[in-house]
Formats: sequence, structure tokens, C-alpha cells
Amino acid sequence: DQQVKQNSPSLSVQEGRISILNCDYTNSMFDYFLWYKKYPAEGPTFLISISSIKDKNEDGRFTVFLNKSAKHLSLHIVPSQPGDSAVYFCAASVVGRDDKIIFGKGTRLHILP
Amino acid sequence: KAGVTQTPRYLIKTRGQQVTLSCSPISGHRSVSWYQQTPGQGLQFLFEYFSETQRNKGNFPGRFSGRQFSNSRSEMNVSTLELGDSALYLCASGRTATEAFFGQGTRLTVV
Repeated sequence: DQQVKQNSPSLSVQEGRISILNCDYTNSMFDYFLWYKKYPAEGPTFLISISSIKDKNEDGRFTVFLNKSAKHLSLHIVPSQPGDSAVYFCAASVVGRDDKIIFGKGTRLHILP
Repeated sequence: KAGVTQTPRYLIKTRGQQVTLSCSPISGHRSVSWYQQTPGQGLQFLFEYFSETQRNKGNFPGRFSGRQFSNSRSEMNVSTLELGDSALYLCASGRTATEAFFGQGTRLTVV
């Protein structure tokens, strides 16, 4: 049972435009969400997170939006740059329960020149 | 501050053999989690250790096991290797289980 779903395996976006990566979750207990970026042959690196008490968190070119009622979050990258080409993983957890972080299957983002 | 270190980076093993992977967490981190990454399956959670105790376990067969030492270093063992075990194995450490800083991974190939 996939508790965190990234339904788009890949996404291509023109350089300079906005990239929007989507993520859905099924477990209403999740209250902390994270996005990771992964280049080939490297481990994932933390990008940005959001607590369920917020609906938006911004860090430079990266913004994460959370819609709790729809159990949906999205990562916006604007403007998209060539170095953003990577696999992006959405993840969710329950803070305070020392529970594990559940990852989605990832979305491969291609930034086109 | 040194990051998470995984050794070895690459490994080739034969079916039926066993393998041990090592992970040194960031200093001060007591939680160590292991994940398996295969194409199309994302990061699948194997198990998490905190202060030498396994607190969480994913849906993997008993051939996959792990342990954590008093210095928080962790090892993961896979016995009776199968071709399907070929994957990138990632270790992550954190102050809690809901924080994850990843190592570069160990690429295991089973032939």
C-alpha cells in the first residue's frame, strides 16, 4: 500500500519556466512533509519541508504547498535551471511518534535548454 | 561536520552469498535508517535503529537484517543473496527518525 504517491514518473520543463511536482498521501496522521532531490550515484539531499500547521513554505526558488483536505502537496521550482534536473522524492512522517519517513517513488525532472 | 559515510560504495556478489554494508552516521545522530532503491520503486524502507534498538521495520524478508553499535554506527546484512537484491542501499541518519541525512549509498550488484 503506497502511502505517499508521486503519480508522474517524469516531467520535462523548459529552462526558466516553473516546474511543479505533485505528491499525494493517504495517511491522515502524517504531519510533516519533506522533499528530497537525488542525482545519479549520489544519496538524496534534503530540499525543503513543511509542517501540517502551514500551507506554504518558501526557500529561494523552491516553494512547497500543502493542501491537507486534499492530502496533496506540491513543489514549485521557479525559475527552473539545468542543475535542477534530478529525481525528486516526496516524503512524509509523523513527528513525535519516532515513526519512519515514507518516501514516494520519485519524479524525474528534465530541464530542457 | 562529516556527513553520513557508507562503505563500500560498490559491491559485486554472487547469488547465494551474504553481504554486510556499513554506515557511519553524522556525529551526534542516534537514529540510522536503511532504504533500498530500485528503478521504479523509489526508496523502500528497510529498518530504523535508535540507540542500538530496532524501532521500525519495513516489509522485507528475514534475509535482511541490521544492527547498530554503541557509537551509532550501523551495519546491514543480506544473506542468501538473490538477483533481485541488486539495488542501491542508502543509509540515513538523524537526531530522530523523522530527520534523514543520506549517505552516498552502496551499489550492490548480484550476479
